[in-house]
Amino acid sequence: GDSVTQMEGPVTLSEEAFLTINCTYTATGYPSLFWYVQYPGEGLQLLLKATKADDKGSNKGFEATYRKETTSFHLEKGSVQVSDSAVYFCALSDGGATNKLIFGTGTLLAVQP
Amino acid sequence: DTGVSQNPRHKITKRGQNVTFRCDPISEHNRLYWYRQTLGQGPEFLTYFQNEAQLEKSRLLSDRFSAERPKGSFSTLEIQRTEQGDSAMYLCASSQTEGGEKLFFGSGTQLSVL
Repeated sequence: GDSVTQMEGPVTLSEEAFLTINCTYTATGYPSLFWYVQYPGEGLQLLLKATKADDKGSNKGFEATYRKETTSFHLEKGSVQVSDSAVYFCALSDGGATNKLIFGTGTLLAVQP
Repeated sequence: DTGVSQNPRHKITKRGQNVTFRCDPISEHNRLYWYRQTLGQGPEFLTYFQNEAQLEKSRLLSDRFSAERPKGSFSTLEIQRTEQGDSAMYLCASSQTEGGEKLFFGSGTQLSVL
């Protein structure tokens, strides 16, 4: 079945460092791809999405490009802030009638001042 | 938009007891999802409602689990005869049919079965 694999954490960075969190997927169809973020004590929030190959999703300085040839959707940010500390989840939706999401295991990002 | 609300936030119960969780979705959202998340894992899909109709259930949803969404508004998830393996965070999410790929999640109910 469809699945998502993302790099294990925790990822610890200093403020203003460059961030990459790797995500690859396996899907039989043409999924939409997402990054969700979970801040401490809060619910999951959609960070960005891409619905077809070569699309780039972006939000709050984060970017991810849908790469069909490498089945990847890596999350990047040029300069992280302490407030970016959270758990980041890569996910896919097969676009079927249910539109349910299949999540990766999550990557904890800790940004130190 | 008051967001997705889940109650209770925490539930501690003894093995064998029944528990019920409630989810109030965003009012205009007709799609509602339940997920389960264990420590160090991503959320796993449990079940999905379109209005009041339960249209999909995961194999993870054993016979001890039942979910309802009367009148297509709030939803309840009941676990009968709880087991220690049921300990997890139970998440509810909702979305609209149009643009339905953007799910809005509640903060979850943390269940601990002793």
